[in-house]
Amino acid sequence: QKEVEQNSGPLSVPEGAIASLNCTYSDRGSQSFFWYRQYSGKSPELIMFIYSNGDKEDGRFTAQLNKASQYVSLLIRDSQPSDSATYLCAVNTDTDKLIFGTGTRLQVFP
Amino acid sequence: NAGVTQTPKFQVLKTGQSMTLQCAQDMNHNSMYWYRQDPGMGLRLIYYSASEGTTDKGEVPNGYNVSRLNKREFSLRLESAAPSQTSVYFCASTLEGGGPSRAQYFGPGTRLLVL
Repeated sequence: QKEVEQNSGPLSVPEGAIASLNCTYSDRGSQSFFWYRQYSGKSPELIMFIYSNGDKEDGRFTAQLNKASQYVSLLIRDSQPSDSATYLCAVNTDTDKLIFGTGTRLQVFP
Repeated sequence: NAGVTQTPKFQVLKTGQSMTLQCAQDMNHNSMYWYRQDPGMGLRLIYYSASEGTTDKGEVPNGYNVSRLNKREFSLRLESAAPSQTSVYFCASTLEGGGPSRAQYFGPGTRLLVL
């Protein structure tokens, strides 16, 4: 059974801090990795993808991938209350399907 | 460019009733998916369609049927609704191929309550 694991949280950080969200996956054949943000009552929204080892930056977001250790992380710099949401990690292997984690709830307090 | 659209947004059914959830995408994507999302369970794949004319079961297909009407449209049917099917249903689509083209784009969801 291919799995994607995330801490459910909530992860609480003060405004302006760095939020660090982590995800581990079981299938070493995984090729593409995605981070989705889901606000309460809304649908998942793609915010980052990464498929090479290392870091990928987009604005305040940085995705980090370590295939040897089978983890992917998302850093949010200068966290804002508007970043409060559930963050879903998703992993693609060699099929048309994504495997989703259950998500980490992030709370950014003023 | 509306992306992925779903109808209805909200529905209440009685046990045993049937209904069809509609999904359409205007991004010329080949693959389409139906998920359900329940508290603490994450997104679970019900059915998917890798291309027009093909459908395959996902993780939780029991009690559901699907139709890939054409490249744009993918519908999900509940033949005899049960309270266990109370959930939020999301449709998603993606291009074929590897890497970032595997990213799935989601519709706004349908909230279904079965009494």
